[in-house]
Amino acid sequence: ETGVTQTPRHLVMGMTNKKSLKCEQHLGHNAMYWYKQSAKKPLELMFVYSLEERVENNSVPSRFSPECPNSSHLFLHLHTLQPEDSALYLCASSQDQASGDNEQFFGPGTRLTVL
Amino acid sequence: DQQVKQNSPSLSVQEGRISILNCDYTNSMFDYFLWYKKYPAEGPTFLISISSIKDKNEDGRFTVFLNKSAKHLSLHIVPSQPGDSAVYFCAASARGGGADGLTFGKGTHLIIQP
Repeated sequence: ETGVTQTPRHLVMGMTNKKSLKCEQHLGHNAMYWYKQSAKKPLELMFVYSLEERVENNSVPSRFSPECPNSSHLFLHLHTLQPEDSALYLCASSQDQASGDNEQFFGPGTRLTVL
Repeated sequence: DQQVKQNSPSLSVQEGRISILNCDYTNSMFDYFLWYKKYPAEGPTFLISISSIKDKNEDGRFTVFLNKSAKHLSLHIVPSQPGDSAVYFCAASARGGGADGLTFGKGTHLIIQP
């Protein structure tokens, strides 16, 4: 596997379910990100991890809980979601250099539907 | 309040001609700008970037221009090819480097007509 992978690609869940989204990067990067893309809206940053520490939480509701056990893996744990949380959830990674280019590489996303 | 704006939801260009995609931003702290391309059912793919110390960056058929005084950047694709048909996102970052989330525009759907 190369690049950034995400599983599952599609997920349908009820409002009382608990599920987790998984992201893995094979690029040797130190920073990982969760973004959300809702219909007709730009990608919105949710969380940023650098060297396994959360460095940014963009006012995300507590029903979304991230976890970064190591620099290659990132999870998003979901519980008691609402139908308006249905969206495409994208994971990204970057080198996290102190200077220079830091383009982010994205996974294919998980299409989440909350019933 | 959108800090990165792409005012054209779609753009249609004939194959072989130049495609120009525009992006405006409001946050004067942004110092690093990127363009991403997205096909359906795939994640965004990085295309080209520019830091605020430059006004132009070129990579093959793709050139990004930055006008800091106008808070405007543009992506030029020449010549346009059918495979360029996709949604193009402009993104910006407020830190010179390091882990920092990107602020995205809503995207412009580029359609290359044969």
